[in-house]
Amino acid sequence: SAVISQKPSRDICQRGTSLTIQCQVDSQVTMMFWYRQQPGQSLTLIATANQGSEATYESGFVIDKFPISRPNLTFSTLTVSNMSPEDSSIYLCSAAASLYGYTFGSGTRLTVV
Amino acid sequence: GNSVTQMEGPVTLSEEAFLTINCTYTATGYPSLFWYVQYPGEGLQLLLKATKADDKGSNKGFEATYRKETTSFHLEKGSVQVSDSAVYFCALRGEGGSEKLVFGKGTKLTVNP
Repeated sequence: SAVISQKPSRDICQRGTSLTIQCQVDSQVTMMFWYRQQPGQSLTLIATANQGSEATYESGFVIDKFPISRPNLTFSTLTVSNMSPEDSSIYLCSAAASLYGYTFGSGTRLTVV
Repeated sequence: GNSVTQMEGPVTLSEEAFLTINCTYTATGYPSLFWYVQYPGEGLQLLLKATKADDKGSNKGFEATYRKETTSFHLEKGSVQVSDSAVYFCALRGEGGSEKLVFGKGTKLTVNP
């Protein structure tokens, strides 16, 4: 199955700044997904990213706050913009590597101070 | 819409005890069902899956059977080990082309020696 390299693994950022998270997949995948996992909580889907088109955002998430790029079939980035302490969370990317196989990156633990 | 209801944790067991984590779902048609595991500080790993009614997924001693009549996909293991300590997520992928995963809230399992 596909392997995803996600970085950074963790970061501490000042409020008002932005952080870009990168995910590199070792094979071509059609769809990639970005999730947020708040402490002790389940995963919430932020958006779905297809190559060559704009990302599709879930209710409660907007492009200005979480811009996503998907320049090719093996790479995607998520930017968390104008951060506040409420953005402190784990951010995970995922790829649909086959009809039933979803692979996840190891996550980015973000703390906003 | 689709949803997953998972047994609340945390669950604490002694080594070699029997494990059951309940999961029920709401979805139209025949979704695909998954159990994911998240070890401390890591991303999610697929534990097992089932794609049609009465399928049994199994891996590493864990089993779950897709029960359409009770809309359930309970996770079981006959004898847990300390190394099974992790958070377990039940998830579904809806029928009909949407490839988004919907997750339960997760159940934290701690196995003591």
